[in-house]
Amino acid sequence: AQKVTQAQTEISVVEKEDVTLDCVYETRDTTYYLFWYKQPPSGELVFLIRRNSFDEQNEISGRYSWNFQKSTSSFNFTITASQVVDSAVYFCALIGAGGTSYGKLTFGQGTILTVHP
Amino acid sequence: GAVVSQHPSWVICKSGTSVKIECRSLDFQATTMFWYRQFPKQSLMLMATSNEGSKATYEQGVEKDKFLINHASLTLSTLTVTSAHPEDSSFYICSASSTGWDTEAFFGQGTRLTVV
Repeated sequence: AQKVTQAQTEISVVEKEDVTLDCVYETRDTTYYLFWYKQPPSGELVFLIRRNSFDEQNEISGRYSWNFQKSTSSFNFTITASQVVDSAVYFCALIGAGGTSYGKLTFGQGTILTVHP
Repeated sequence: GAVVSQHPSWVICKSGTSVKIECRSLDFQATTMFWYRQFPKQSLMLMATSNEGSKATYEQGVEKDKFLINHASLTLSTLTVTSAHPEDSSFYICSASSTGWDTEAFFGQGTRLTVV
C-alpha cells in the first residue's frame, strides 16, 4: 500500500519569508512518481511538479524548489520569498507502478499555507 | 498541459434527487479517468477508476449503486450521485490520463455539490 504523509497541517508565515513544506512517502514500488499540487481557494488543482523515482536531482523553478531524498523517502517543497498569492493548500502525491496502486494518485493530507502581508 | 473540463462547477440539489457531473478531456484521449471526493479541509480521496468501455472499479467503502460512473467514450466520463443526501455534499473532482501508468493526470476544475 502507498502512503503519503504531510505532517504540517497548517503553516503561517509573513510575506518574504522562506517556507518548506514536508512530504514523506511510503511505497513498495521501485518505480514511482511524486507530485506536488497547489489548491487555491477556488478549488482547482494546479500541477507544480512531477519527479520520477530515478531522478534525485533537486529542481528549482523560480521561487519554488524541491528536494528529493530517496534515502529518507522525502520530497520537500520550498517557497523562497513567499508572497500572499502563495496562500493555498499544497498536496504531495504519489503514483506507483505496482499491483492495486497502478496508476492511482495517493494524496497526502495537505498543508494549508497562509502568507500574511 | 492538457485540458480537462468538469461541469457543473457547483450545484445545489434537493435531498432525494440525482445529480450528474461530467468530466471531459478536451484535447486528448483519456483512456482512464479517476473520480475523487474532498470534504472540507481534508485530502482528496479516490472514489473510483474508470476505463473507457468497461465498468468502473470502486475503492473500498464507496457505494457503486449510489455513485454511478459511466465512461462511454475516450473524452467523457460521468459521475451520477443517485438519491443524494446532505452527507453527499462535498467537492468532487475528476482527473484524466492517456495511456501509461505514469502519465500525468490532468484535473478538472471540480464540482461543489450541496444537497439541501
